[in-house]
Amino acid sequence: DTAVSQTPKYLVTQMGNDKSIKCEQNLGHDTMYWYKQDSKKFLKIMFSYNNKELIINETVPNRFSPKSPDKAHLNLHINSLELGDSAVYFCASSQDGLAGGDTQYFGPGTRLTVL
Amino acid sequence: GESVGLHLPTLSVQEGDNSIINCAYSNSASDYFIWYKQESGKGPQFIIDIRSNMDKRQGQRVTVLLNKTVKHLSLQIAATQPGDSAVYFCAENSGGSNYKLTFGKGTLLTVNP
Repeated sequence: DTAVSQTPKYLVTQMGNDKSIKCEQNLGHDTMYWYKQDSKKFLKIMFSYNNKELIINETVPNRFSPKSPDKAHLNLHINSLELGDSAVYFCASSQDGLAGGDTQYFGPGTRLTVL
Repeated sequence: GESVGLHLPTLSVQEGDNSIINCAYSNSASDYFIWYKQESGKGPQFIIDIRSNMDKRQGQRVTVLLNKTVKHLSLQIAATQPGDSAVYFCAENSGGSNYKLTFGKGTLLTVNP
């Protein structure tokens, strides 16, 4: 069974469009994350949610809006897509996320290409 | 290939050799460190972790060393195999009680058969 799953795996879209990426974890974890990995493989956190509450927001443009309907899901909606949004987006989860020192488990990634 | 234009630090070893991947971290207050392995087209996969009250931790074929004095972390892989070829990232918990991982640049390990 897949622990952290994301859909879609690939997303190709035009500039200016709005798109969503979905993430689900079946590990029973309390905390979920979104990361962005650029073309140079640099991996940077965007958001984290603990039990549906926003914990970390790393100065991400407000075109990006995470939504957590329940603690097993964290979706990422992106408005008015720009060329610079092209990247691989990873979802992750951890058991707690507040105590410091929890392993984060990553999903397979969504490769977003903005044309 | 995938590595073209990436400008990642690279390490090329022969199968069976030991590999050492190094990482300098940034925050002296970081209290938890993880090594991840990322294969092509996949998400980062946990390898081993270490807390700041330790200086060494061993797993199966892997050892992590932590030197807090110089803010240095290393990953040693014994008897490296072709399946170990991947990008390796170190990550530090730089967020204190709000657990936030800051990832290093990544090192591309290539194992030659």
